[in-house]
Amino acid sequence: AQSVAQPEDQVNVAEGNPLTVKCTYSVSGNPYLFWYVQYPNRGLQFLLKYITGDNLVKGSYGFEAEFNKSQTSFHLKKPSALVSDSALYFCAVRVLNTGNQFYFGTGTSLTVIP
Amino acid sequence: GAVVSQHPSRVICKSGTSVKIECRSLDFQATTMFWYRQFPKQSLMLMATSNEGSKATYEQGVEKDKFLINHASLTLSTLTVTSAHPEDSSFYICSAELAGAHTQYFGPGTRLTVL
Repeated sequence: AQSVAQPEDQVNVAEGNPLTVKCTYSVSGNPYLFWYVQYPNRGLQFLLKYITGDNLVKGSYGFEAEFNKSQTSFHLKKPSALVSDSALYFCAVRVLNTGNQFYFGTGTSLTVIP
Repeated sequence: GAVVSQHPSRVICKSGTSVKIECRSLDFQATTMFWYRQFPKQSLMLMATSNEGSKATYEQGVEKDKFLINHASLTLSTLTVTSAHPEDSSFYICSAELAGAHTQYFGPGTRLTVL
């Protein structure tokens, strides 16, 4: 079975500090990995994805994530957090041979403290 | 690019009535659209996968006769909640897949409240 884990329900970080939101996955096959951000009462906004190629992918708003196959992880990072980064972050995985379905993590609430 | 809209953004209805939610891909054609339900402070629950011109594929436990999905064109999918009850109150989110990009783009969501 395919699954995604976000081990932290809540992450707090001071403004200007680097932030990391963790994601690990378990799939049979080659994963396509995604990060989305959700602001209150809004849908999800696409941040970045890993399909193939360079393990370090850069996305919107200065975010980046590194695909680590040996650790089955895809942690989201940003060098310097902004208060406006405070939101709910979802990691998702897709494996093509299982059809079109995306598997979402449970979400991590990020709070950037001024 | 890759903008998805949903309408209405918020709806309040009486128990027993039906509500239709529209999902549109504004600047791309989406052969596949997805409908999700999200409870407060929880992740997204996939309800169904909608393919243009064919019947939707529902996830286990989702009543197809209650949640009617129509994907009549490459830019429009609709979800109709029939005979709504208070327990159907939730945040419904659609997404559309950009072909070849392996990426889902999400609508802004619809807050349904059934009184």
